[in-house]
Amino acid sequence: GIQVEQSPPDLILQEGANSTLRCNFSDSVNNLQWFHQNPWGQLINLFYIPSGTKQNGRLSATTVATERYSLLYISSSQTTDSGVYFCAVNRDDKIIFGKGTRLHILP
Amino acid sequence: DAGVTQSPTHLIKTRGQQVTLRCSPISGHKSVSWYQQVLGQGPQFIFQYYEKEERGRGNFPDRFSARQFPNYSSELNVNALLLGDSALYLCASSLGSGGAGYGYTFGSGTRLTVV
Repeated sequence: GIQVEQSPPDLILQEGANSTLRCNFSDSVNNLQWFHQNPWGQLINLFYIPSGTKQNGRLSATTVATERYSLLYISSSQTTDSGVYFCAVNRDDKIIFGKGTRLHILP
Repeated sequence: DAGVTQSPTHLIKTRGQQVTLRCSPISGHKSVSWYQQVLGQGPQFIFQYYEKEERGRGNFPDRFSARQFPNYSSELNVNALLLGDSALYLCASSLGSGGAGYGYTFGSGTRLTVV
């Protein structure tokens, strides 16, 4: 089946820093989403981005479907950005999550 | 407008028992999918239902079953519970099958503990 790999697995940054999270997938997909999971377990939808580039405030994402990767950019990090970021892809009515990137933003 | 709602929020069961988890999708969404998330790992896909039909199934044993009702709400049943079934169970809804167009919106989950 399709494999989804996220990197880095862990990232520790000072408040105000910028970061780039990467998601690689092994085959073509129907769609791709980025989620932020807060400490209470809630998965918050950040971007639905099967291709192209989108921006929402300090966050932006780019998916290059032909090269099978997506990037999530976080600028001017805040402590509230801490948590786990997941990439999820859909293929043949199955949804596959990566293992996530755990982001720690230090004050 | 209400989001995806799941019930109960927490549940404690004994090994060997059966459990039913419930999910109500966002109004107008016709697809519901279920996931299991063990501590420290990413969510694992269990089932996807669209228009009351199973559209996708992950690698879970037959002890796991689900159904979708005419109002598009869904139930996940797990029989003969094992300690390893302890996890956060998440439900997501989407407009169409496969999350086409807008992707998935998740509920807050049901935290199941098997003792």
